[in-house]
Amino acid sequence: QSALTQPASVSGSLGQSITISCTGTNSDVGGYNYVSWYQQHPGKAPKVMIYDVTDRPSGVSNRFSGSKSGNTASLTISGLQAEDEADYYCSSYTSSSTLVFGGGTKLTVL
Amino acid sequence: QVQLQESGPGLVKPSETLSLTCTVSGYSISSGYYWGWIRQPPGEGLEWIGGLYHGGSASYNPSLRSRVAISLDTSNNQFSLKLTSVTAADTAVYYCARVWHSITIFAVVIRFMDFWGKGTAVTVSS
Repeated sequence: QSALTQPASVSGSLGQSITISCTGTNSDVGGYNYVSWYQQHPGKAPKVMIYDVTDRPSGVSNRFSGSKSGNTASLTISGLQAEDEADYYCSSYTSSSTLVFGGGTKLTVL
Repeated sequence: QVQLQESGPGLVKPSETLSLTCTVSGYSISSGYYWGWIRQPPGEGLEWIGGLYHGGSASYNPSLRSRVAISLDTSNNQFSLKLTSVTAADTAVYYCARVWHSITIFAVVIRFMDFWGKGTAVTVSS
């Protein structure tokens, strides 16, 4: 299975909004509403920010939102804050009954 | 609060078997949920290794399926990972996690991980 495609890096200024894309195929992102997004700070374990495409776990800021169109899912972070600077990974259930991750996106807050 | 803790050797020789254990506290692994392993090579992204739930069959990454086995030890509230015939490419931080899943008539759908261990670094080297 091939990894989902994410941009290697994105940047935004404090207070602005950014969107990270995650492109797959009909066999993963496009075929199921089971896309999740994880935030990972250096040396730390990942933390789920969005699950099932659009749902946000309790305790996660509503500045984080998810969406999907066709084979591409997106994570939007509004009102960027310094602590949002991290790596972000998408993942999706696949038709092989397994899970596939994206390559990761490094978010820089300017 | 659910907590997970990985344990095992930090150094494994090439061609040998990597064995890790994840100890879960705050939740009984026989009560539900899927339990999985994820790894991250140095400077790289995340990779799903596989997982299973109590009473169910395991699901493995197709690229690792021939070398991996995951099992549950409900008496000790632990689950384990065995990866055989390791090479330098298996050097990574290994995470265990609690996995949300849904059971359909077609398959067990793996959805997302909500609780993670802190990870344990494993180096494959002679």
